[in-house]
Amino acid sequence: KAGVTQTPRYLIKTRGQQVTLSCSPISGHRSVSWYQQTPGQGLQFLFEYFSETQRNKGNFPGRFSGRQFSNSRSEMNVSTLELGDSALYLCASSLSGQGRRGYTFGSGTRLTVV
Amino acid sequence: AQTVTQSQPEMSVQEAETVTLSCTYDTSESDYYLFWYKQPPSRQMILVIRQEAYKQQNATENRFSVNFQKAAKSFSLKISDSQLGDAAMYFCAYLTGTASKLTFGTGTRLQVTL
Repeated sequence: KAGVTQTPRYLIKTRGQQVTLSCSPISGHRSVSWYQQTPGQGLQFLFEYFSETQRNKGNFPGRFSGRQFSNSRSEMNVSTLELGDSALYLCASSLSGQGRRGYTFGSGTRLTVV
Repeated sequence: AQTVTQSQPEMSVQEAETVTLSCTYDTSESDYYLFWYKQPPSRQMILVIRQEAYKQQNATENRFSVNFQKAAKSFSLKISDSQLGDAAMYFCAYLTGTASKLTFGTGTRLQVTL
């Protein structure tokens, strides 16, 4: 079956712009999580959605937001981009609500802010 | 807050040999799960192995096994018969039983030489 699909793979944006990243989970998975990966801060949790509801949120400013649709696809939005937002954004999905059997990750979206 | 520490930024192993990657964690929880993820240059995080804290038996997946020492809060990964395809970044991750958020270590870059 298809894995977790993230689009686009690469993105270049200018400071001050906004960006939307998309994630399609494995069919049947209802939980979608987002992580930011940078060389300096490593992997940091952004937020998690389950059945269209945000259940958990990391320590990121309000410029970072997300949503989940009824088909479990999720989008992440970053407004007023800053240079420090340049990162690999990873999406992960799980069958159960709490990821105890492990999360399946996508290949990420590489965002570069110039 | 939970923390995960990987003290080996880089490791090297010869093909067909065995290597052990270290991970320690700090938590006051009793219900949690531990994972090792592999991230090759393709960027996708791949689940290698998982361990439930309530299980005393160490998890094993083919050439991969863990040494889970709950009292010492240690969770090391042993890779036997190393192969060139094992070269990647390896991340240790922690998940509480009540939340849906992974806490990652800083990673260990594994090189496999001929």
